[in-house]
Amino acid sequence: AQSVTQLDSQVPVFEEAPVELRCNYSSSVSVYLFWYVQYPNQGLQLLLKYLSGSTLVKGINGFEAEFNKSQTSFHLRKPSVHISDTAEYFCAVTPLNTNAGKSTFGDGTTLTVKP
Amino acid sequence: ETGVTQSPTHLIKTRGQQVTLRCSSQSGHNTVSWYQQALGQGPQFIFQYYREEENGRGNFPPRFSGLQFPNYSSELNVNALELDDSALYLCASSLAGTSAYEQYFGPGTRLTVT
Repeated sequence: AQSVTQLDSQVPVFEEAPVELRCNYSSSVSVYLFWYVQYPNQGLQLLLKYLSGSTLVKGINGFEAEFNKSQTSFHLRKPSVHISDTAEYFCAVTPLNTNAGKSTFGDGTTLTVKP
Repeated sequence: ETGVTQSPTHLIKTRGQQVTLRCSSQSGHNTVSWYQQALGQGPQFIFQYYREEENGRGNFPPRFSGLQFPNYSSELNVNALELDDSALYLCASSLAGTSAYEQYFGPGTRLTVT
């Protein structure tokens, strides 16, 4: 079984400031890791994913995340946020050797970017 | 390329009733996963369909059932609705067997049970 903990339920930040959204996971098997963004009244959009290889992965909209196997973490970062980044962000894991899907999600972090 | 679509967008039902939600997968995708997202929570995996058969199920009772059709579209059926079934229901499509390992979400159906 897998579980995902997003350590901050809400993160307020000023425009052009850096931000980090924290995600820890627990799993008895190896997993793939994902970050999704959800804008109001919309579905989820994939920001980035870690499948293998370099532990620093880059995604869309200037976001990046670093996989730390020893700390079982996958924190999301952006060096300079914009008002348009205001949204809900979800960290998710999926066991290896399964079809895409069957993901376990955290409860989300609300990022609010203030002018 | 057509994205994932869901219908209806909103639905209001009474406790005890039955509901059917529909999902059209992205062109070329053969796998559909359904998720329930309660207010203020992350999506929870309900089940997945691959080649018209259930291919994994989360911790949901049997009154949640589904179908996948030959064109890979899918339905989610919920019987004997309860108030706690009120949520956003998301479907996601993907292509099994690729290295991309991505799923694409539809906009969801908002179900309210009164």
